[in-house]
This record gives sequence, structure tokens and C-alpha cells, in this order.
Amino acid sequence: DAKTTQPPSMDCAEGRAANLPCNHSTISGNEYVYWYRQIHSQGPQYIIHGLKNNETNEMASLIITEDRKSSTLILPHATLRDTAVYYCIVHNYGQNFVFGPGTRLSVLP
Amino acid sequence: DTGVSQDPRHKITKRGQNVTFRCDPISEHNRLYWYRQTLGQGPEFLTYFQNEAQLEKSRLLSDRFSAERPKGSFSTLEIQRTEQGDSAMYLCASSPGQGISGELFFGEGSRLTVL
Repeated sequence: DAKTTQPPSMDCAEGRAANLPCNHSTISGNEYVYWYRQIHSQGPQYIIHGLKNNETNEMASLIITEDRKSSTLILPHATLRDTAVYYCIVHNYGQNFVFGPGTRLSVLP
Repeated sequence: DTGVSQDPRHKITKRGQNVTFRCDPISEHNRLYWYRQTLGQGPEFLTYFQNEAQLEKSRLLSDRFSAERPKGSFSTLEIQRTEQGDSAMYLCASSPGQGISGELFFGEGSRLTVL
């Protein structure tokens, strides 16, 4: 079973920041937080991952709370093409990736 | 395009028939994964290869399912005596390096419909 809980769906206005929350209260010290997204009819796409520090790349920012029990993926300026299902995954080296149902983000014009 | 490619993209078959899917990973990626995805669900892990060795299989992979990666490059997933419950998207992913870690690169998937 997935070790994360995410809201099933969210809406965001185009051009605004999309903040996608994820709870992972049972995360252990050597487990990373990964985010993937899946646009309709495509395979999942890697976005970002982190251990305990906040991370940023060209796609998004990842904010992990100090106790590491939750995190937020931030898309700073959402576009219509960001409409997708977003998966938050807790992952340890040596284990496979376990996907939950994710959050369906709808970016509205 | 040097991404993960899967073939065929769509397959419609009758119950009881055998089907085979092929996955060509990114060149030099030595890890290859198969996932299954049904409507409204996230991908479910099926099996994983490190080069040609199949290192892990999910209990979802019944005796009717077999996966191979004979030369450590492309992989095939065969389903024998298909059932309607096998209808799903079959996703392949690859990644570099050792062990199960890091970023997965997924293909577009092979959608199976069993009538």
C-alpha cells in the first residue's frame, strides 16, 4: 500500500501557483519523497524528489516540513498543460515505487 | 526519440488468447520495470529487471504472466489465456544505475482490451 495520502482532486487558476499537499506521517529517516505526474494517456513523468531539504528545479519546488511528515509540491505558474494526476511517493533505495491514486489537478482558464 | 518505447500501443483481443508486449528502454539503462494501471488508479508494480536478471515479481504477476529481458536490452511481457480482468494499461519504465532507486523514465504504455 502507498504510504502517502493526497486529496483526490484540486483546481487551480491558470497563471496562479498550484500547491499540492501530501501527507506521509510514517516516513522513515532514509526514505525520499518523490513526485511524478501523469498527463492523460501518457506514462508518468518524474518531477522532483527530496530527502529533507527543500528542492527546486525547472518544473517545480518541493517543500518538506521539518518533521518530514508532510510535503507540498508547488507549480509556481500553472498552465493548462499542467492539468494531470500528481503522485506523491515515499521511496527507499532497494524498494520499488508504490503509486497511490494521486491528486487530479485541473488548471482552469 | 531516445525515450522508452512500447509496442503495440493498443491491443484488442478475445478472452483466452495470448498477447505479448514489447518495451525498448533508454539505451544503457540497466534497470527495467513493468507496471499495470487500471482506470482511476495509480500504476501497480509488476516486475523489475536488473540487466537480464528478473529480481522482483509482484504477487499481481500470476502464472499466466511472464516477463523476459534476454539480452539485458528490450523486454517482453506475455499474458497467456487472457481474462477480462487483464484489461489495463501496461507501462514500462527504465532507469540507470544499480538497485531500485532514482528517477523512472516511463513509456507511453500499451493498452490492452480483453473482450
